[in-house]
Amino acid sequence: RKEVEQDPGPFNVPEGATVAFNCTYSNSASQSFFWYRQDCRKEPKLLMSVYSSGNEDGRFTAQLNRASQYISLLIRDSKLSDSATYLCVVRYSNDYKLSFGAGTTVTVRA
Amino acid sequence: DAEITQSPRHKITETGRQVTLACHQTWNHNNMFWYRQDLGHGLRLIHYSYGVQDTNKGEVSDGYSVSRSNTEDLPLTLESAASSQTSVYFCASSGSRLPVWQETQYFGPGTRLLVL
Repeated sequence: RKEVEQDPGPFNVPEGATVAFNCTYSNSASQSFFWYRQDCRKEPKLLMSVYSSGNEDGRFTAQLNRASQYISLLIRDSKLSDSATYLCVVRYSNDYKLSFGAGTTVTVRA
Repeated sequence: DAEITQSPRHKITETGRQVTLACHQTWNHNNMFWYRQDLGHGLRLIHYSYGVQDTNKGEVSDGYSVSRSNTEDLPLTLESAASSQTSVYFCASSGSRLPVWQETQYFGPGTRLLVL
């Protein structure tokens, strides 16, 4: 079983729509969680850190459910520029290493 | 501005050749990481370093080596390139002196390697 699992998608949504997707992690000792964005196999870039039960950054909302060991990302009012692959990232315990999911692809159409 | 660079950006080599990919960061970060990314897989950790003279194996380290002689650089060497090592390679760094749980990683632009 992979440590971090994501639905690969693709999620095809019209501009202005809301899209949400989940990520599950296997290690209950996981300490911190992040969403990274990756465009066309370019370098991943931090989208947001996920603290406590969740947090919001503009149109993006991340939620954490420790009991069920999943993280979600919701994008409201989707823009064409939101088209990308979103990587779920988990840190286990007190370690600098990160574990990456394979990514969820979102395509926003006009 | 501080940054992390990788070179070359694209490389074609032949099976059996030794190849070295460079990674250079100017953030003065202690932690540096090498990943490979293949379709259907997440980023997989090859090697990492938490400081000068420190190196550690990641989950897919066979056939790769690294050395850390200074803070800025972590070159990745493929000892004898194999077709299975055709991939996109990303270098990353971290070490902003935040608590560990808050630390994130910053990535270089990647190197696309083709082994024929």
